[in-house]
Amino acid sequence: GEDVEQSLFLSVREGDSSVINCTYTDSSSTYLYWYKQEPGAGLQLLTYIFSNMDMKQDQRLTVLLNKKDKHLSLRIADTQTGDSAIYFCAETPWDDKIIFGKGTRLHILP
Amino acid sequence: NAGVMQNPRHLVRRRGQEARLRCSPMKGHSHVYWYRQLPEEGLKFMVYLQKENIIDESGMPKERFSAEFPKEGPSILRIQQVVRGDSAAYFCASSPAGQGRSGNTIYFGEGSWLTVV
Repeated sequence: GEDVEQSLFLSVREGDSSVINCTYTDSSSTYLYWYKQEPGAGLQLLTYIFSNMDMKQDQRLTVLLNKKDKHLSLRIADTQTGDSAIYFCAETPWDDKIIFGKGTRLHILP
Repeated sequence: NAGVMQNPRHLVRRRGQEARLRCSPMKGHSHVYWYRQLPEEGLKFMVYLQKENIIDESGMPKERFSAEFPKEGPSILRIQQVVRGDSAAYFCASSPAGQGRSGNTIYFGEGSWLTVV
């Protein structure tokens, strides 16, 4: 079946790196996504990675994909208070819809 | 270039009333998706539409829920005889072509928060 799992909470000190992990089930997923949701707002696409890539870096964001283990991670370097949000991992199985995890709430400690 | 526009942003309905949520996709986008986010949950796919066609409604509850995307005008998600369990955030997204395996970026609206009292 289709399922995306991620831990629900993460607390990180300001300036440290945040690593949010995710596991997915559908090995046929072509693209894997990370979305950010701030309180009361919609979803903002942060980044996505094509399944034939191992890593993608975009400024403070690094995405790592382990296709064998179906594991995806998002690393945010130098975490800032503005990074406080819910981060959703998502996969795209064979049909035309995106399957989301329940989201990881990132809390920034001063 | 306006983004995906949803209205109303907040809607309060009494049990048994009808809720209508509207979504105008981004200019040039012909594919619309509706997702529901229950409190403390992720987003669950509901329905995927193209102009005048429902492509995939596998996530829609069998009763009381319907969606349309007419040739002219916004996409409408309609919930009849609302119950407390319908209270959620409903997100619309649009893309220029099919999402998923094609990798096309989809853009989300800001959501419509439905509260049933």
